[in-house]
Amino acid sequence: NAGVTQTPKFRVLKTGQSMTLLCAQDMNHEYMYWYRQDPGMGLRLIHYSVGEGTTAKGEVPDGYNVSRLKKQNFLLGLESAAPSQTSVYFCASSYSYSGNTGELFFGEGSRLTVL
Amino acid sequence: GNSVTQMEGPVTLSEEAFLTINCTYTATGYPSLFWYVQYPGEGLQLLLKATKADDKGSNKGFEATYRKETTSFHLEKGSVQVSDSAVYFCALHPTGANSKLTFGKGITLSVRP
Repeated sequence: NAGVTQTPKFRVLKTGQSMTLLCAQDMNHEYMYWYRQDPGMGLRLIHYSVGEGTTAKGEVPDGYNVSRLKKQNFLLGLESAAPSQTSVYFCASSYSYSGNTGELFFGEGSRLTVL
Repeated sequence: GNSVTQMEGPVTLSEEAFLTINCTYTATGYPSLFWYVQYPGEGLQLLLKATKADDKGSNKGFEATYRKETTSFHLEKGSVQVSDSAVYFCALHPTGANSKLTFGKGITLSVRP
């Protein structure tokens, strides 16, 4: 039962480097999300997707880009990493709205440190 | 806009103590309400939910009642265990297409033996 899988789990970057976080879900969910979790801030939505080929901005989209080329995958990219992007990143997915009760299924998180 | 306010933490309790974690919300209409739990080193998982006023969600000995008159969804457990040590997030899901969850800031619960 894979559910939502994130890779990598840990990464250390230098300021200005780029990287991509991969999220994969095997539940045939339409909706996918990227959140960041910071101490005292809770979870903040970065970007989300309501279906293959679509993406939209969340609360804190600056400095990030996303792509949803396949229904099961949602990629989060950092083009030029900054120390302020040091965080734990969570991917989540959910059913389409017609069956959506708001329940999200989360991955285990990816801890990113930008030096 | 929609918002969720959780009581300040962290909370430390002894095993078998009674737990209450307060959560209040601001939203238009009739949102669904949720408690998520995050165990150490893991992602969040749904603990319980309530989709309409006066509904009570329950799971693993935890309960929360949707109180529209006080816009609250407080989490309670009669006797906590060490294994309940985790971060707890209250969240709301507004009505309407393409609505998204709004999370509170979370509160850390530590239960000592």
